[in-house]
Amino acid sequence: AQTVTQSQPEMSVQEAETVTLSCTYDTSESDYYLFWYKQPPSRQMILVIRQEAYKQQNATENRFSVNFQKAAKSFSLKISDSQLGDAAMYFCAYRSGSNFGNEKLTFGTGTRLTIIP
Amino acid sequence: SAVISQKPSRDICQRGTSLTIQCQVDSQVTMMFWYRQQPGQSLTLIATANQGSEATYESGFVIDKFPISRPNLTFSTLTVSNLSPEDSSIYLCSVARTLPYYEQYFGPGTRLTVT
Repeated sequence: AQTVTQSQPEMSVQEAETVTLSCTYDTSESDYYLFWYKQPPSRQMILVIRQEAYKQQNATENRFSVNFQKAAKSFSLKISDSQLGDAAMYFCAYRSGSNFGNEKLTFGTGTRLTIIP
Repeated sequence: SAVISQKPSRDICQRGTSLTIQCQVDSQVTMMFWYRQQPGQSLTLIATANQGSEATYESGFVIDKFPISRPNLTFSTLTVSNLSPEDSSIYLCSVARTLPYYEQYFGPGTRLTVT
């Protein structure tokens, strides 16, 4: 079974600075998807960024980018120019590329990000 | 993306009763999921509810405790039965789109407190 590990329960960053959240995963599959979700105190889960394993290029969405290291099974999220609204719980998630009953997301335990004004 | 609404947003229920949570999506989707998020924890999948088939439950979750209905492609309900304090959690509905690429979206959640 796949597992997702987020080793940083809490992180903090000064406003306008850059922070990197780490995520590692364990899988024997070659085709899969990786995601970062943000859950602010309002508890709405928001999809931040998505990465397909077959793509070598790292995904980028505005101030959010990933460092996807397939061989190392690492998928870190970099937030640039941190803003107060970035304060949230961030979850890394894995999804098999197979479409035969493995559509579920497997989540890490989350990293709580605090932004210091 | 998909706009997902859940009702109720929160509820306080007595031990032994049941709560039914509704999930409505603004467009037709094949795959719907129900998750549980216990206080301060990550998300755990309860079941996958695809229209036209019985829900598929994850290990540790059974139909008698968490019956699910999926009458059409935009709606689903999750019932949490015979409530105990251990059922106090946030319950989230989620839907998936596969084209042009796979993405999964979540509803705002239902916060359940069992007294």
